[in-house]
Amino acid sequence: NAGVTQTPKFQVLKTGQSMTLQCAQDMNHEYMSWYRQDPGMGLRLIHYSVGAGITDQGEVPNGYNVSRSTTEDFPLRLLSAAPSQTSVYFCASSSDRGGTGYGYTFGSGTRLTVV
Amino acid sequence: SQKIEQNSEALNIQEGKTATLTCNYTNYSPAYLQWYRQDPGRGPVFLLLIRENEKEKRKERLKVTFDTTLKQSLFHITASQPADSATYLCAPNSGYSTLTFGKGTMLLVSP
Repeated sequence: NAGVTQTPKFQVLKTGQSMTLQCAQDMNHEYMSWYRQDPGMGLRLIHYSVGAGITDQGEVPNGYNVSRSTTEDFPLRLLSAAPSQTSVYFCASSSDRGGTGYGYTFGSGTRLTVV
Repeated sequence: SQKIEQNSEALNIQEGKTATLTCNYTNYSPAYLQWYRQDPGRGPVFLLLIRENEKEKRKERLKVTFDTTLKQSLFHITASQPADSATYLCAPNSGYSTLTFGKGTMLLVSP
């Protein structure tokens, strides 16, 4: 099993550009989420989804969009990149929202730099 | 507001010793508490989940305790090895909400 696959691993954007971070899981997990991790701030939840067609905002949703058309995929869109969005982005999936079965499975991350 | 506190200072120990990491939380009444390991440049990896009625849980060299009165979890690694060097994150949770993580404590095990 591949688990959670994130692409790309690295990306440099210019301010104002848009892009999509891809996340795919092959574990048939209903729950998926996006976090960003910044030095000294820890992991902060951006958006999450409890199933296909259902998404909701987390702690820091501004500047990001998500959609969930299939169980497997949960892309994160940056509409107009800003330097404040320079961060490492992690996608996670789980069989339930609280990860009470086997915890969350994380991807390896996307390191994004906005110049 | 809900708060999760983990020691921000790195814990330095010698190989073979027991490492003990602390996770304190306030304004929470979690039914579960999870611990994750994160290596540099990698995503967090799930290690253990402990339920509020379990008090203690073990997995190989790992031991986790959960004291709901003190609002604290302790994470122990016995016979520590340099390969245990990583950042360890805790996540108390009701089971019905998305996970919120502590900022983590870095463990450095020297040979």
